[in-house]
Amino acid sequence: KQEVTQIPAALSVPEGENLVLNCSFTDSAIYNLQWFRQDPGKGLTSLLLIQSSQREQTSGRLNASLDKSSGRSTLYIAASQPGDSATYLCAVPGNAGNMLTFGGGTRLMVKP
Amino acid sequence: EAGVTQFPSHSVIEKGQTVTLRCDPISGHDNLYWYRRVMGKEIKFLLHFVKESKQDESGMPNNRFLAERTGGTYSTLKVQPAELEDSGVYFCASSVRVPLGNEQFFGPGTRLTVL
Repeated sequence: KQEVTQIPAALSVPEGENLVLNCSFTDSAIYNLQWFRQDPGKGLTSLLLIQSSQREQTSGRLNASLDKSSGRSTLYIAASQPGDSATYLCAVPGNAGNMLTFGGGTRLMVKP
Repeated sequence: EAGVTQFPSHSVIEKGQTVTLRCDPISGHDNLYWYRRVMGKEIKFLLHFVKESKQDESGMPNNRFLAERTGGTYSTLKVQPAELEDSGVYFCASSVRVPLGNEQFFGPGTRLTVL
């Protein structure tokens, strides 16, 4: 059974800092890994999807890396801004490529 | 292109009552998923439709939950009778069918409170 863990559970940083969010998973036989952002009271916004054949994926100030063999992914946020404050979730699909298993999320606060 | 929509955004009901949640996926998406997040826990999978067929309902908590997707378009999730532990946020997501493991797009969720 796939288990996904995110560390840290919460993070508070000053504006402008670069930061790394961590995601680990127990079963390395994954199709891909998806990073989401959730704002309070809102739905999930997909940030990046990194395929199992890829090592990293970039979108603006976000960079996600994937190391399948070690069961780890990181989300790097460059030059953080107060607008980046949200909960960040990672998720991997099951063996049939369908249902997602989510981590508990990292609640990020970027202080002005 | 419209995203995944869910209705209602909030629902407050009393224990024992019935509630029906609705999800409209992105047009053309054969895959439709229901997930739930209860307070303090991870988001958990409930079930998966491919068009109108239930592909996987292993995450459904019990037989008080009934999901349908008539005609392979929108889906409903009915809770009858609702219990206190059913409170949480119910998310719907959709994706194209192939290839496997496609990106899932989520709706804003329905926050259900059972009193």
